[in-house]
Amino acid sequence: NAGVTQTPKFRILKIGQSMTLQCTQDMNHNYMYWYRQDPGMGLKLIYYSVGAGITDKGEVPNGYNVSRSTTEDFPLRLELAAPSQTSVYFCASRPRGRSNGYTFGSGTRLTVV
Amino acid sequence: AQRVTQPEKLLSVFKGAPVELKCNYSYSGSPELFWYVQYSRQRLQLLLRHISRESIKGFTADLNKGETSFHLKKPFAQEEDSAMYYCALVQGGSEKLVFGKGTKLTVNP
Repeated sequence: NAGVTQTPKFRILKIGQSMTLQCTQDMNHNYMYWYRQDPGMGLKLIYYSVGAGITDKGEVPNGYNVSRSTTEDFPLRLELAAPSQTSVYFCASRPRGRSNGYTFGSGTRLTVV
Repeated sequence: AQRVTQPEKLLSVFKGAPVELKCNYSYSGSPELFWYVQYSRQRLQLLLRHISRESIKGFTADLNKGETSFHLKKPFAQEEDSAMYYCALVQGGSEKLVFGKGTKLTVNP
């Protein structure tokens, strides 16, 4: 049981480049989330999904896209990278029930230069 | 709007001293509150859920609806408790977890 797996762990992008951050979970969780973590700002929700085929915007969705074709996978796409997207990105999942805690991935540290 | 406030960015205590990390929230419904911990350069881990009323690693947190608080406490801090601590609230209906900005706890020897 690997939990939530994110790849890559580190990436440097040039301005205007595109990339996909991968997230997969093997716990059959319905709910999946993408957060970005910036120093002193806590975690801000980018996108989330309540099940395969269903996604919705979070607090800071601009510049990102997601898809959820399977229960396991929830990739995050950056189409035109900008320096403001330099951050640490965390994927998380949880089963149904508001009182269930989230399981987080180990994060992707992205630098846009 | 739902909001989680952690008033202290940094908190420094000595080993063996009591520690309290403050968390206040604003939410009109019945809240689901959590504490998450992030050790240096690691993933966030669930520490406590208010609904469980449990004690993990010596930490406890009590929901005070009157003061809209969910402070995290430990009677005797250890050096290995040094980490970032995040208080978080689940928004009812939307299934989204809202985080505070975090408190960095340093336990000095």
